[in-house]
Amino acid sequence: AQSVSQHNHHVILSEAASLELGCNYSYGGTVNLFWYVQYPGQHLQLLLKYFSGDPLVKGIKGFEAEFIKSKFSFNLRKPSVQWSDTAEYFCAVNRRYSGGGADGLTFGKGTHLIIQP
Amino acid sequence: KAGVTQTPRYLIKTRGQQVTLSCSPISGHRSVSWYQQTPGQGLQFLFEYFSETQRNKGNFPGRFSGRQFSNSRSEMNVSTLELGDSALYLCASSVTGAEQPQHFGDGTRLSIL
Repeated sequence: AQSVSQHNHHVILSEAASLELGCNYSYGGTVNLFWYVQYPGQHLQLLLKYFSGDPLVKGIKGFEAEFIKSKFSFNLRKPSVQWSDTAEYFCAVNRRYSGGGADGLTFGKGTHLIIQP
Repeated sequence: KAGVTQTPRYLIKTRGQQVTLSCSPISGHRSVSWYQQTPGQGLQFLFEYFSETQRNKGNFPGRFSGRQFSNSRSEMNVSTLELGDSALYLCASSVTGAEQPQHFGDGTRLSIL
């Protein structure tokens, strides 16, 4: 069974600091990769996704992630965080079927990010 | 455009009972997936429905079942409730399936006494 590991469960940063959240997955086949974010009191929403092509993907609010196939990693980055980035961040993976479609998402346990003003 | 709507928002049940949760996807979305979120296990995939057919299934016991109607609305049923079923149940929809980004609802918080 595939699994997703997020290395940091809690991260505390000051505003303007740079951010990198690690994500590694275990499945060796063709995958789709996602980062979702959950702001306090809100539902999960998509931050960015990778399906194919350029391994460096850009998402909303200045976030980006790099897919490194050889390392089975999809780390999330932001050069300068803001107080409003305080949220729970989830990495998710699903396996792409050769005939089209994909299976359900496997999520990491999440990283609780707190940005101090 | 309305988002994914889940009802009810909160439920309290006792062990042995059964429960039905409802999910209305975004208009035009035909795929509905269900997830269970707990502090210990995190977010876990239950099943996905597309065009009234279960297309994918996670690793949950048969007490967990679902269905989808012709208007794409979906229900999830849990029978013979156990204490460990206490969780936030999330529904997500997409146009054609999990190969696309999914849009999540706010969830139904189920508490088992």
